[in-house]
Amino acid sequence: DAGVIQSPRHEVTEMGQEVTLRCKPISGHNSLFWYRQTMMRGLELLIYFNNNVPIDDSGMPEDRFSAKMPNASFSTLKIQPSEPRDSAVYFCASSKLAGVSHTQYFGPGTRLTVL
Amino acid sequence: AQTVTQSQPEMSVQEAETVTLSCTYDTSENNYYLFWYKQPPSRQMILVIRQEAYKQQNATENRFSVNFQKAAKSFSLKISDSQLGDTAMYFCAFRSGYALNFGKGTSLLVTP
Repeated sequence: DAGVIQSPRHEVTEMGQEVTLRCKPISGHNSLFWYRQTMMRGLELLIYFNNNVPIDDSGMPEDRFSAKMPNASFSTLKIQPSEPRDSAVYFCASSKLAGVSHTQYFGPGTRLTVL
Repeated sequence: AQTVTQSQPEMSVQEAETVTLSCTYDTSENNYYLFWYKQPPSRQMILVIRQEAYKQQNATENRFSVNFQKAAKSFSLKISDSQLGDTAMYFCAFRSGYALNFGKGTSLLVTP
């Protein structure tokens, strides 16, 4: 089975541009998570979807960040406008269910650089 | 709030030797799970091992085992017969709800 798929793997953009990160969860998984990894803050949860519905977006840093999950096999994380401090690795993870016993499987991440 | 502390930013071990990575956590929850994830230079986050808090028996996965001390809130990872491919960042993570709370990580270097 394919794991979590993320695209692009690398993104370099200029400040002020719109950035869209994409994620395809593992088939059959009902929960999807977006995490951000920075040197300063480590790994932190941005938003969590269950059955395509956003449940907790309290980790989204600002209104410039938005996430959608139009169907069970696709999610996007959008930053508009982007800023240099958004530079980080963005991970998507999925799990079969949201319960604490269900392991989260991570995608390869998207390294975002905002110049 | 739950916190996860990894007190060893960097460690080094020779090939074939054994190394132990430390992790402590703070929580008032009783039902939770603990994980070790590995992040090699490829950046992929790979699950190494997980432990259910209600299980007293320590989890093992081939060369990887944990020492789970619930009362002490300690969850260390032991890697036996270290291999060059074990070189990576290792993250300890705690989960009592839907979110994973990660430590800052330990960078492990395996040398020939």
